[in-house]
Amino acid sequence: RKEVEQDPGPFNVPEGATVAFNCTYSNSASQSFFWYRQDCRKEPKLLMSVYSSGNEDGRFTAQLNRASQYISLLIRDSKLSDSATYLCVVVGGGFKTIFGAGTRLFVKA
Amino acid sequence: DAGITQSPRHKVTETGTPVTLRCHQTENHRYMYWYRQDPGHGLRLIHYSYGVKDTDKGEVSDGYSVSRSKTEDFLLTLESATSSQTSVYFCAISESGSGGTANTGELFFGEGSRLTVL
Repeated sequence: RKEVEQDPGPFNVPEGATVAFNCTYSNSASQSFFWYRQDCRKEPKLLMSVYSSGNEDGRFTAQLNRASQYISLLIRDSKLSDSATYLCVVVGGGFKTIFGAGTRLFVKA
Repeated sequence: DAGITQSPRHKVTETGTPVTLRCHQTENHRYMYWYRQDPGHGLRLIHYSYGVKDTDKGEVSDGYSVSRSKTEDFLLTLESATSSQTSVYFCAISESGSGGTANTGELFFGEGSRLTVL
């Protein structure tokens, strides 16, 4: 079993739709959680951190469920510019930062 | 955007030849990393550095070596390139986390170096 698993997708949604991605992790001692965004043939960029209480940044909401060991990303009112690959990142102790393989999102007009 | 540049951005080489990728930062961040990204895999850590001349192995370090003689430069060397090392290589930097040792997970990436080994 991979330490961090994501549904690779692709998710194809129309503009304006709400879409949600989940990411599961295997190490219950994991400490920090993030979502990164990666555009085609570009570098990953930090989208948002994921806090235990859940957090929101505009149209994006991230949540953490420690009991079930998953994090989620919800995108409301999808825009064409949201089309990208979304990477889940889980950090354990020291330098153990694990990236998921990513979930591809295509938003269609 | 964080000041990170990678060179070369694209390289095609033949099996058995040495290859060096360079990462240069202008942010004065303590930590630097080399990752590779392949289809179906997440980014995988090759080597990292936590200071000048302080480096350590990541999860896929076989066939790679690194050096950091200055804060701003982190070199990745493939001593004898193989076709399995065809990949996109990303350099990343981060500030120190709490206690000065932990990686907080907030990484800033360079634009990547696409390497093809024939």
